[in-house]
Amino acid sequence: DAGVIQSPRHEVTEMGQEVTLRCKPISGHDYLFWYRQTMMRGLELLIYFNNNVPIDDSGMPEDRFSAKMPNASFSTLKIQPSEPRDSAVYFCASRAGGKKLFFGSGTQLSVL
Amino acid sequence: EDQVTQSPEALRLQEGESSSLNCSYTVSGLRGLFWYRQDPGKGPEFLFTLYSAGEEKEKERLKATLTKKESFLHITAPKPEDSATYLCAVQAGERGSTLGRLYFGRGTQLTVWP
Repeated sequence: DAGVIQSPRHEVTEMGQEVTLRCKPISGHDYLFWYRQTMMRGLELLIYFNNNVPIDDSGMPEDRFSAKMPNASFSTLKIQPSEPRDSAVYFCASRAGGKKLFFGSGTQLSVL
Repeated sequence: EDQVTQSPEALRLQEGESSSLNCSYTVSGLRGLFWYRQDPGKGPEFLFTLYSAGEEKEKERLKATLTKKESFLHITAPKPEDSATYLCAVQAGERGSTLGRLYFGRGTQLTVWP
């Protein structure tokens, strides 16, 4: 298995632009998580899905952030409009049931 | 208020110098405690899961232990390739549920020099 696949690996954009991050979870995993990592706050859970349904989005910072999971093999995290404080590494992770979490390699986002 | 606290924030060891990393937590209804290793530019990689006080897990030079309020990651005779950030996470949730958020600590950055 190729593991959790995220794209792009790096994204540089200007303030106010829309940013879309993509994730392909491991096949057969029924949970998908979006995390954000910064030096100041560490790893923060933004939202997670179970069987494509959003379960807990209380970590989503504000309405500028949205996430979708149209099917079991694809999810997106969108920021519109982006702001410099959104600069961080965004990780997608997946797991099967209550078992261990597998992370992707992350998307390094820089908003200028 | 932080629910998972890791210490120290950074640790420098000489090759072969054993030490321990600490993870203390305050969540109730612990479902599991996880240790991850993160290398620069990569996502966290799973190391261990501990479920109950007294449990221990080992992998090569690493051993994880769990008490009711904290976990230790013991590193015996470390090598330079053990250099990484080690993250602790706890999962809390209702009994019988596989749901539940993972709360991560900020990690301990370990550097092992030859």
